[in-house]
Amino acid sequence: AQSVAQPEDQVNVAEGNPLTVKCTYSVSGNPYLFWYVQYPNRGLQFLLKYITGDNLVKGSYGFEAEFNKSQTSFHLKKPSALVSDSALYFCAVRGGNTGKLIFGQGTTLQVKP
Amino acid sequence: DGGITQSPKYLFRKEGQNVTLSCEQNLNHDAMYWYRQDPGQGLRLIYYSQIVNDFQKGDIAEGYSVSREKKESFPLTVTSAQKNPTAFYLCASTRPNVRQPQHFGDGTRLSIL
Repeated sequence: AQSVAQPEDQVNVAEGNPLTVKCTYSVSGNPYLFWYVQYPNRGLQFLLKYITGDNLVKGSYGFEAEFNKSQTSFHLKKPSALVSDSALYFCAVRGGNTGKLIFGQGTTLQVKP
Repeated sequence: DGGITQSPKYLFRKEGQNVTLSCEQNLNHDAMYWYRQDPGQGLRLIYYSQIVNDFQKGDIAEGYSVSREKKESFPLTVTSAQKNPTAFYLCASTRPNVRQPQHFGDGTRLSIL
């Protein structure tokens, strides 16, 4: 069965410091991986995806993610955090050919000034 | 601008009542999805539709029903059989290609009166 795990409920980081939000996955076949961000009472916004190719994927708002096949991980990173990055982040993997997404439980990122 | 519109933003349900959540998209996407979001549980798939006049149950379909009579529209009915309907409901759409991300609406928050 396909699954996604986000081991941290919350990540706290000071503004200007680098941030990492962790994600591990389990999938049969090639993984199609996605990161989304959600602000309060809003829908999910797409940040970036890994389909194939380079292990370092660059996305919106200065975010990037590193795909590691041996560790089955897809961690979200940003070199310098902003207070406005504070939000709920979801990692997701696409299952099969239906387009269905399987989501992790989400990680709240808190960036303090 | 193209996007997904969910209405209403807030909805209240009385005991024994069915309520319908609207989801409309003008992205010309074939596939549409309904998710339920509860705190700390990520997103869970209720129903999805890959083509007009066809839809499939997701992981938590009991107490819900959908229709897909038009490509643009995928309404969700929360029936009186759903005993714990209080949640944030998100609609999404995508092209059939599994490499494409899902686009989300801004959700409907359903509460019990």
